[in-house]
Amino acid sequence: AQSVTQLDSHVSVSEGTPVLLRCNYSSSYSPSLFWYVQHPNKGLQLLLKYTSAATLVKGINGFEAEFKKSETSFHLTKPSAHMSDAAEYFCVVSESVDQLIWGAGTKLIIKP
Amino acid sequence: NAGVTQTPKFQVLKTGQSMTLQCAQDMNHNSMYWYRQDPGMGLRLIYYSASEGTTDKGEVPNGYNVSRLNKREFSLRLESAAPSQTSVYFCASSVSGGAPDTQYFGPGTRLTVL
Repeated sequence: AQSVTQLDSHVSVSEGTPVLLRCNYSSSYSPSLFWYVQHPNKGLQLLLKYTSAATLVKGINGFEAEFKKSETSFHLTKPSAHMSDAAEYFCVVSESVDQLIWGAGTKLIIKP
Repeated sequence: NAGVTQTPKFQVLKTGQSMTLQCAQDMNHNSMYWYRQDPGMGLRLIYYSASEGTTDKGEVPNGYNVSRLNKREFSLRLESAAPSQTSVYFCASSVSGGAPDTQYFGPGTRLTVL
């Protein structure tokens, strides 16, 4: 069975410092993996997705994630945080349309 | 392009009342979805429609019904609302519904059941 664990419910970083949001998954097959972002009181937007091509995936707004099969991880990173990155981030694993499993989310707080 | 639109944005119901949440997309997508989002939890799939004329249950379908009215519109109905259905509801659509498909989300409906 699939599952997704976002290891931190909250992450706080200073503006200009690196961001690391951690995600581990379990899947019986070769899954597709996504990161979505939700800004306060807004809908969800796709940041990036992994679909068994390159293991390092680049997304919007300078974010990237690396698929590590041996570690069953798909951590999200950004070299330098910006105030506008403050939001909630969701890691998602999918084997099929009716088995889309969402992590509980990580709130990213950016300190000035 | 409006993308995915949802109405209403907010709704307060009393226990036992019924209501329909409306969703429409203008991207000519084949697949549409309804999710609920509760504090401290990820989104959970209620129902989805892989194509016009078909609907299937997701993870948490109890207490809900859906109608895929046409390719553009997918509504969610609560026949007899319960406090446990207090949540934020999101509609989404995707081109084909395959596993790696990107889903595009509406702005959400915040529902409170008293």
